[in-house]
Amino acid sequence: SQTIHQWPATLVQPVGSPLSLECTVEGTSNPNLYWYRQAAGRGLQLLFYSVGIGQISSEVPQNLSASRPQDRQFILSSKKLLLSDSGFYLCAWSVLGLANEQFFGPGTRLTVL
Amino acid sequence: RKEVEQDPGPFNVPEGATVAFNCTYSNSASQSFFWYRQDCRKEPKLLMSVYSSGNEDGRFTAQLNRASQYISLLIRDSKLSDSATYLCVVNRAGAGSYQLTFGKGTKLSVIP
Repeated sequence: SQTIHQWPATLVQPVGSPLSLECTVEGTSNPNLYWYRQAAGRGLQLLFYSVGIGQISSEVPQNLSASRPQDRQFILSSKKLLLSDSGFYLCAWSVLGLANEQFFGPGTRLTVL
Repeated sequence: RKEVEQDPGPFNVPEGATVAFNCTYSNSASQSFFWYRQDCRKEPKLLMSVYSSGNEDGRFTAQLNRASQYISLLIRDSKLSDSATYLCVVNRAGAGSYQLTFGKGTKLSVIP
């Protein structure tokens, strides 16, 4: 069966510090991968998605970036965090097909102080 | 019109009650529809897909009205464990599109 891992689970970082969040998927090949952010009291916002190694599409302009160095690894990064980057970061995967269900990892709760 | 719109609630219902959630979407080209459940401070989990003919999974029934661009979720015989936020989800545009748009969710509290 497929599983998705994210770490760390929680993170407190000062403004201006760098960020690296990691997501890995097991039990499937060639998944589509996604990074979402959920700010307090708001809906899920799609940040990035990837259909393959090295292929990244950005949904919103921001100071975040994403990379996919391996088929089942997705990384979210920032060189300098802003207060507004605080939120719940969720990684998800799906497989190509009409159903399009996405399955989420446990998330990383980021607080920028 | 927002891409996916839901009543935020909260819906406070007694155990055993029947509760219905509604959702509207703006893109008539959308082909895939889902309900997700999100517990407090947890990740969203797929509850059920929504099919054109309507579908049922135990106490949960989902309906789709393409003409009105409207989706519903009915929960019968509510349990305390049903307390969560329910997210209406629609694929962004057209068959084969893998990007999903999430509603902000409807919060349900089932009271003893």
